Amino acid sequence: GAVVSQHPSRVICKSGTSVKIECRSLDFQATTMFWYRQFPKQSLMLMATSNEGSKATYEQGVEKDKFLINHASLTLSTLTVTSAHPEDSSFYICSARDAAASNTGELFFGEGSRLTVL
Amino acid sequence: AQSVTQLGSHVSVSEGALVLLRCNYSSSVPPYLFWYVQYPNQGLQLLLKYTTGATLVKGINGFEAEFKKSETSFHLTKPSAHMSDAAEYFCAVSLNEKLTFGTGTRLTIIP
Repeated sequence: GAVVSQHPSRVICKSGTSVKIECRSLDFQATTMFWYRQFPKQSLMLMATSNEGSKATYEQGVEKDKFLINHASLTLSTLTVTSAHPEDSSFYICSARDAAASNTGELFFGEGSRLTVL
Repeated sequence: AQSVTQLGSHVSVSEGALVLLRCNYSSSVPPYLFWYVQYPNQGLQLLLKYTTGATLVKGINGFEAEFKKSETSFHLTKPSAHMSDAAEYFCAVSLNEKLTFGTGTRLTIIP
């Protein structure tokens, strides 16, 4: 099946620094990737839709200057948390849609990245 | 707009007992429906999906779900629970390329 890989799986950083999380589709091309944030014991909250070669579309309430998304190739999207603060600590998950598959809405998810800001 | 409601944030069943996780949706058009499972500190894994055709869908690990349009439901079942089934389960509906998730149900298996 389709595999999506996220890196790093865990990251700890100091307040004020920036952190980059990568999301790669390993065996398929993804014109669209999605970034979610998950708080403890809660559901996934869609942050933004990442489109290859164009600007990301952010959900209401998500700061685009805070969460920079780049989707420069058909297999890679990155999320950069800029000037991170403790309240940015969370579990970030990416997902991707196989561009070659019929559009059933199925998404393939990465393993998630746990960010802890000290 | 679509939405998903999962009744019961926590469900506990004994090992070997029936598992029933409830999911109801609202959508203006027939949606695509999914169940995902999440183990601690991991991403989501697809259990099963309904797109078109047979309304009873079989997935991995012995799970199945039935799409009932009249009840706008897509409940997840497994005849006999196993300890390894303990996890968080999310129902999701897809419309216009966006997945909307329910709030999740944490399944605990009692030995």
